[in-house]
This record gives sequence, structure tokens and C-alpha cells, in this order.
Amino acid sequence: QSVLTQPPSASGTPGQRVTISCSGSSSNIGNNYVYWYQKLPGTAPKLLIYRNNQRPSGVPDRFSGSKSGTSASLAISGLRSEDEADYYCSAWDYSLSGPIFGGGTRLTVL
Amino acid sequence: EVQLVDSGGGLIQPGGSLRLSCVGSGFTVSSNYMAWVRQAPGKGLEWVSVIYNGDNTYYADSVKGRFTISRDNSKNMLYLQMNSLRAEDTAVYYCGRDRYYYDTGGYSNGMDVWGQGTTVTVSS
Repeated sequence: QSVLTQPPSASGTPGQRVTISCSGSSSNIGNNYVYWYQKLPGTAPKLLIYRNNQRPSGVPDRFSGSKSGTSASLAISGLRSEDEADYYCSAWDYSLSGPIFGGGTRLTVL
Repeated sequence: EVQLVDSGGGLIQPGGSLRLSCVGSGFTVSSNYMAWVRQAPGKGLEWVSVIYNGDNTYYADSVKGRFTISRDNSKNMLYLQMNSLRAEDTAVYYCGRDRYYYDTGGYSNGMDVWGQGTTVTVSS
């Protein structure tokens, strides 16, 4: 049971917009920055969003992040088949005095 | 090109030791915060250890007292010494550069450059 709660699965059709949530508390998301990663099987995680809503160079603007209170969201617009992957949120946690990941969300493109 | 290459994984018996290595290129390992993250089979990502400035380090409770993170500045290398290995340590281990800092918005802790991963299997 992760401190950051993500839905285990999400799905959408090509071209659609999907949102993945990450719920935490004042100990983590509420008072720290959120990161989002994409994980494809057999490959290293890839940074998608840093500092809540910033995109590294090379990440398409179809990916966007937001934060409100103790929750964060990753939105993917114009869904493509290659977006099918696992997505993880991460944040620092004051109670644990360290960084934590959410449990991950498997996105299926129907 | 900024890159990390990790190595050192393998099959090890329970109670054994293993040292993972990670060599950086295109940037200086000693000037950055560095971390290890793992993913057990069928499980999610887990922060294992982070090395900050000087001797400041973080360890997940699951590895505290058994794992040690360190770096060799002359070789631009990061290490993870793993002792008293258990079956539950079986995972793919990734090294990474951690863009850690703190400002009025709180702690910012995340990895922007990752190694390709090295597999550790603890089994008799």
C-alpha cells in the first residue's frame, strides 16, 4: 500500500484525452513538488513531468501535469498507441524523510 | 551526451553480497545528487537510496543497515554495496541523477537521467 495512491489502471482510445490521478497528503504532495514518469516494459523509466507541471525538453506537449492541494494529475491528450505504458507519480514525504513513488497506473490504449 | 550505464547485477544466494556500479558520462557524478531505484518483478518502482552532499544519504527502511551508497569521484562512478541480500531484494536496479533541491514550494526530488538497469536475483 503506497503512501501516494494511483488508480491501478486507466484506458482510452486513440485521440482521446485521459487523466491519471495521484492522491497524497500534506506530508508529501501538499507541500512538495510532484514528478511523473513513464515506464515501458524492459526499459528504464522516463521523466515526463517535473516540479508539478514542467516538461523536460523532448517530451511532447500532449503530456501535462497539475497539482491542487494534496492531489496531482497527469493528463495525456491526443492519445497514441505508443502511450500504452505504466505511469508513476513521485514526491518527497516529510514523515518518511525521503522520496516515494505512487503504486503506478497501467494505461491501455484500446 | 549525458548518460549513465549501470552494471554488476547477477544471481546471488540469500545472505550474500553484491556491488552495483554506475558510470556517468557527459556530467560529473560527484557534483550531482545521485540515487538508486528498483523494480521487483510485477511490482512498482521503489526508491532505494540517495546520496546528497558530502556524507548525507537516504535509505529506504527495507534496505537500511544492509545497503551502502557511495561514489568514486576520480572514476565518475556511483556504487551500491548490497549485503545480507534477501529474496525480496530481487529486482531490476536503476541508477539515476537526482535533481534534488528545496525552495519555498517544498522539496523537489526526481531523476532526469537513468541507467539502463541491472538485474539482481537473490535465490538459492
